[in-house]
Amino acid sequence: DIQMTQSPPTLSASVGDRVTITCRASQSLSSWLAWYQQKPGKAPKLLIYRASTLESGVPSRFSGSGSGTEFTLTISSLQPDDFATYYCQQYNSYSWTFGQGTKVEIK
Amino acid sequence: EVQLLESGGGTVQPGGSLRLSCATSGFGFYFSTYAMAWVRQAPGKGLEWVSVISDGGGNTYYADSVKGRFTVSRDNLKDTVYLQMNSLRVEDTAVYYCAKVLRDTTDPFHVWGQGTKVTVSS
Repeated sequence: DIQMTQSPPTLSASVGDRVTITCRASQSLSSWLAWYQQKPGKAPKLLIYRASTLESGVPSRFSGSGSGTEFTLTISSLQPDDFATYYCQQYNSYSWTFGQGTKVEIK
Repeated sequence: EVQLLESGGGTVQPGGSLRLSCATSGFGFYFSTYAMAWVRQAPGKGLEWVSVISDGGGNTYYADSVKGRFTVSRDNLKDTVYLQMNSLRVEDTAVYYCAKVLRDTTDPFHVWGQGTKVTVSS
């Protein structure tokens, strides 16, 4: 099974900060990597798929990069609405695995 | 706009069974062209993929943690997906989400329901 490791588990940042979250896979995913945002009590929301493709309606301050086993989610200028938990997910060969999540908190 | 509405959650004793439903709307005639997924989230924990069913229902996929105990199915005439959960364990306690895949069966999860809560407790 493919294991996904996200870092850091928690991130404290201020509005306007540039934020980067990393996700590492236990084996190569090519570009089969997605990122989700989840707010408390709500369902997750798909932000990025295929490592770097922005889902329709997602603000351009979100971007994804990487391939193989190392991926990053970057928020170029953190906004108040962005304080949430972010999950990476691999979707390779009929298995789907999420990272443990990164909680972005207000500093 | 595609919308998903889960139901059927509740409290059950260990070893018991529950059947979750996911009623959908907004697909038009295209529900039967999309794979559907179930994902769960234990209290205070992260997301865990549970199961995926292909568009026609002929192919199903399960996480190791539920294989042999859970069965996913769909009714393409009713635009509804089901998750039959048997031999429930305390560790199955979670909010269960239904989700539509983006395009292909192997894709990430594009649209999510609001979730239904399952509690397994004696």
